[in-house]
Amino acid sequence: DGGITQSPKYLFRKEGQNVTLSCEQNLNHDAMYWYRQDPGQGLRLIYYSQIVNDFQKGDIAEGYSVSREKKESFPLTVTSAQKNPTAFYLCATNWGSQPQHFGDGTRLSIL
Amino acid sequence: DQQVKQNSPSLSVQEGRISILNCDYTNSMFDYFLWYKKYPAEGPTFLISISSIKDKNEDGRFTVFLNKSAKHLSLHIVPSQPGDSAVYFCAASGDNTDKLIFGTGTRLQVFP
Repeated sequence: DGGITQSPKYLFRKEGQNVTLSCEQNLNHDAMYWYRQDPGQGLRLIYYSQIVNDFQKGDIAEGYSVSREKKESFPLTVTSAQKNPTAFYLCATNWGSQPQHFGDGTRLSIL
Repeated sequence: DQQVKQNSPSLSVQEGRISILNCDYTNSMFDYFLWYKKYPAEGPTFLISISSIKDKNEDGRFTVFLNKSAKHLSLHIVPSQPGDSAVYFCAASGDNTDKLIFGTGTRLQVFP
């Protein structure tokens, strides 16, 4: 069954702690994206990667880091430098000019 | 500066009637527009798209209209069904990039 898997669905972070959100896809898509959604706002792009071992900053990259060591995986680390990390995080993929497809998201909260 | 705007945060429509969701954009370099539907605690689902070379695209109950001179697009859903109740986001891309710029969303409620 092809798709995008984000885990965990819910995640809690303590002050000063780094946490990593997982995004795995078996769609064989080249491009992968991370977005953040806050209440009453649209999706904002954090990082994206169009090919393995390469990625670019989106509009709100500060306080986040990513890696793209495998085509299937694009993990996002929310570092302690991100002062307002509470949000709904969405991973998306696409191929060529096709529309982006999204995973079901991870909700991150601060303890 | 918000490049893609959805000025109506919510819309309520009776079942069977037409739902019209609106979206405005400011960047004239945008050449591809999409609509996504999102249920709570789920990722957005792609609905329909339109290229700037067209002014209308239809897929079943969903039609998207593009008015380039006004930098405006709209999504028409007819007839509206209770299962259409969700948040709808419009998004745009262009300038030789796959990056999507999203609007803030419109919550549609379809009541019986």
